[in-house]
Amino acid sequence: DGGITQSPKYLFRKEGQNVTLSCEQNLNHDAMYWYRQDPGQGLRLIYYSQIVNDFQKGDIAEGYSVSREKKESFPLTVTSAQKNPTAFYLCASSVERSYNEQFFGPGTRLTVL
Amino acid sequence: AQKVTQAQTEISVVEKEDVTLDCVYETRDTTYYLFWYKQPPSGELVFLIRRNSFDEQNEISGRYSWNFQKSTSSFNFTITASQVVDSAVYFCALSETTGGSYIPTFGRGTSLIVHP
Repeated sequence: DGGITQSPKYLFRKEGQNVTLSCEQNLNHDAMYWYRQDPGQGLRLIYYSQIVNDFQKGDIAEGYSVSREKKESFPLTVTSAQKNPTAFYLCASSVERSYNEQFFGPGTRLTVL
Repeated sequence: AQKVTQAQTEISVVEKEDVTLDCVYETRDTTYYLFWYKQPPSGELVFLIRRNSFDEQNEISGRYSWNFQKSTSSFNFTITASQVVDSAVYFCALSETTGGSYIPTFGRGTSLIVHP
C-alpha cells in the first residue's frame, strides 16, 4: 500500500546527542515536509523539499538539518544545537502544487532525557 | 503574509450533539486553497476536505459539512450528530498560489472531545 512511514515511533535521546528521524514515502510525490508539533502550537514547518537534492528552511529550522538524496526519503537530524527538541515530529508529502493535500506519516515522538 | 486562526482551543460535547469548528483566515491572494485535517489520538493527520477560493459552495459528506464564506474569510466545519470516534484534533490550513512555494499554513488546531 502507498503511504508514508516514519521511524522510530518513540525516540529517547540524551542531551548533547544528535539523532536522525526517518521518513520514507512510496507515493511518488515530489514535495516532502517536516513539521514539529507542540501542545497548543499547531504544526510548525521545519524544512521542506520540492525536488531531490534541494530543500528550504521553514519557520523553525535552527538546530535541525535535512537531506534529500532520493525522492522517497527525507531524513531529519535533530542536532545538539536544538535547545528544546522534545516534541512530536510529523513528516508529510504532496504533489508539488498548493491545491493538493498533504499526506502525513504516523509521527515520531522525541524525548530528550 | 498568511494566517489561520482557530479560536476554539478545545470543545467538549456529548454524543449526538452537533458541533461547529471555526476557522478564520487572512490572505492577500485572490487564488488560494483551504483544507481541513483530522488528527486522531494515533497522531497521523488525515485529509478531510479541500476548497479553492473560487468555489463557495457548501460541501456535505455524511455527517460532515463545510461552510466557506469569502465575505467573512471563514471556512467552518460542522459535525452533525457527533460520535465518540470524532474525538480528535482538527486543523484548518491555508495555501496560497503566488510565490511558488505552495506551503500551507496551519492553524493551532481545535481539540474536540465527544463524551458518550
